[in-house]
Amino acid sequence: SQTIHQWPATLVQPVGSPLSLECTVEGTSNPNLYWYRQAAGRGLQLLFYSVGIGQISSEVPQNLSASRPQDRQFILSSKKLLLSDSGFYLCAWSSVAGPGGANVLTFGAGSRLTVL
Amino acid sequence: SQQGEEDPQALSIQEGENATMNCSYKTSINNLQWYRQNSGRGLVHLILIRSNEREKHSGRLRVTLDTSKKSSSLLITASRAADTASYFCATGEAGGTSYGKLTFGQGTILTVHP
Repeated sequence: SQTIHQWPATLVQPVGSPLSLECTVEGTSNPNLYWYRQAAGRGLQLLFYSVGIGQISSEVPQNLSASRPQDRQFILSSKKLLLSDSGFYLCAWSSVAGPGGANVLTFGAGSRLTVL
Repeated sequence: SQQGEEDPQALSIQEGENATMNCSYKTSINNLQWYRQNSGRGLVHLILIRSNEREKHSGRLRVTLDTSKKSSSLLITASRAADTASYFCATGEAGGTSYGKLTFGQGTILTVHP
């Protein structure tokens, strides 16, 4: 069966420090991978998605970047954190459905980032 | 950008009552999904309805979709305290190269009192 792991679960970082959140998926190959951010426990904002190794699409301009060094590994990074980067970050995967396809997302448990 | 808008933002009911949550969206969609999130956890997929479907059932869940009004509703029947969570609708846009990207609404916080 497929599983998704996301870590760390909780992170407290000072402003200006770097960030690395990691997500790995097991039990599937060539998944679509996503990073979402959730502020104040409400709606999710899509940050990045990837349809293959090295293929990253950014949805919103921001202080963050994403990389996919391996098929089932997705990393969210920042060189210098801002206060506004605080939030709950969720990694998700789905099977490839192609343009206009209906993908069901499976989410990780989330990483709560507090920037002080 | 946020497409789905849930209504109400918060809903408080007694165990055994039915809970109805609504979702409105703006663009043409390929499918609409509902997810549940327990506090501080990841989201869990509940049900998917495609744009050519009008109603779908899964256990105590009933979802309707009205593409002419660009709206959907999620009904949870005979609610239980364990149903307490946030519920989100998510839309998959029609056409283009969206590769199944979903746009989530702001969510409805459901509290079921024992």
